[in-house]
Amino acid sequence: NAGVTQTPKFQVLKTGQSMTLQCAQDMNHEYMSWYRQDPGMGLRLIHYSVGAGITDQGEVPNGYNVSRSTTEDFPLRLLSAAPSQTSVYFCASIPGQGRPDTQYFGPGTRLTVL
Amino acid sequence: AQRVTQPEKLLSVFKGAPVELKCNYSYSGSPELFWYVQYSRQRLQLLLRHISRESIKGFTADLNKGETSFHLKKPFAQEEDSAMYYCALSGGGSNYKLTFGKGTLLTVNP
Repeated sequence: NAGVTQTPKFQVLKTGQSMTLQCAQDMNHEYMSWYRQDPGMGLRLIHYSVGAGITDQGEVPNGYNVSRSTTEDFPLRLLSAAPSQTSVYFCASIPGQGRPDTQYFGPGTRLTVL
Repeated sequence: AQRVTQPEKLLSVFKGAPVELKCNYSYSGSPELFWYVQYSRQRLQLLLRHISRESIKGFTADLNKGETSFHLKKPFAQEEDSAMYYCALSGGGSNYKLTFGKGTLLTVNP
């Protein structure tokens, strides 16, 4: 198993540009989530999904969209990038009957918005 | 609302010294508490969970419900312990959402 994969690893955007951060897992996990990590702020939940076709907002959802058309993929879309979205983004997944401590984290995407 | 507080952003100790990373929480029910570790430029890894009452890499943490704390301790710090440590809380059961503290960067000096 590849586990949780994220692409790209690094990305630089200009203000106003849009892009999609990709997240995939091959463990057939039902629960997936996106966090952003900022210095001095810890990890904050952006959006999460409890299964294909079901998504919900986390703590800081503004400026981000998600969809879950398949169990494997959970892309995060930035519609109009802003410098405040400069951050490291982590995707995570959990087995359907798993516990939150069994979260598998991806390697992260480092995004810079100029 | 659930909240996790890690009062120290930075903690610096010498090799062989004891280390304690503080974590306090706020939650109305019976939470589950965890410690995650992130080594330089790596992904987060679960270090330990309160329900297991285990010791991982020499670290232990005891849940104190009276003081709403879950401090992480190690009697003799090693240089390889240098990392970012996050305390996290979930509501338990099928509540998969984790609330993280802001993290403490531990540096163990030779």
